[in-house]
Amino acid sequence: GENVEQHPSTLSVQEGDSAVIKCTYSDSASNYFPWYKQELGKRPQLIIDIRSNVGEKKDQRIAVTLNKTAKHFSLHITETQPEDSAVYFCAASIGSQGNLIFGKGTKLSVKP
Amino acid sequence: NAGVTQTPKFQVLKTGQSMTLQCAQDMNHEYMSWYRQDPGMGLRLIHYSVGAGITDQGEVPNGYNVSRSTTEDFPLRLLSAAPSQTSVYFCASTKGGMNTEAFFGQGTRLTVV
Repeated sequence: GENVEQHPSTLSVQEGDSAVIKCTYSDSASNYFPWYKQELGKRPQLIIDIRSNVGEKKDQRIAVTLNKTAKHFSLHITETQPEDSAVYFCAASIGSQGNLIFGKGTKLSVKP
Repeated sequence: NAGVTQTPKFQVLKTGQSMTLQCAQDMNHEYMSWYRQDPGMGLRLIHYSVGAGITDQGEVPNGYNVSRSTTEDFPLRLLSAAPSQTSVYFCASTKGGMNTEAFFGQGTRLTVV
């Protein structure tokens, strides 16, 4: 079946450093790629998304890049802060209904 | 707007018991779905619905039933609970169609003993 691979599974950075999380997907028809942040004990919440007609999207300290040829996309967080500590999930849409397949998550720890 | 509301937040079941996890949304979203979240496994799609009266299976549907009698509600039924169903369950809804944000409920932590 279709799948999304996410790396790394854990990431520890110093406050102020950048963090990069990478995902690859298998369904060449996927055209929507959201990123979700989940704090401990909370629900996942959308932080940024990108569609296949766009190569890069930025929102303040967060950016996402998409390479459709290589079927991978990445999340970049600059100037990390302790409140960025959470689990981040990438996802890709599959099928005609646009169901989301999620990666297994990256636990980001930002040390003060 | 309350968004997506799930009940209960916590539940302990004995093996073999049945129960229904409730999910309701007040955003008039057509598309609703159920995921389970297990450590190191991400979110896996159980069942989904593209509108009232229409449901379909996701990645891990075995042991679960759903129905969609109204746009607002999408309950998930565990027919005969098993320890392998111990997980955190999330309901989500989107406006429908492709490429739209999924809004999640607060989750239900289910333990089957």
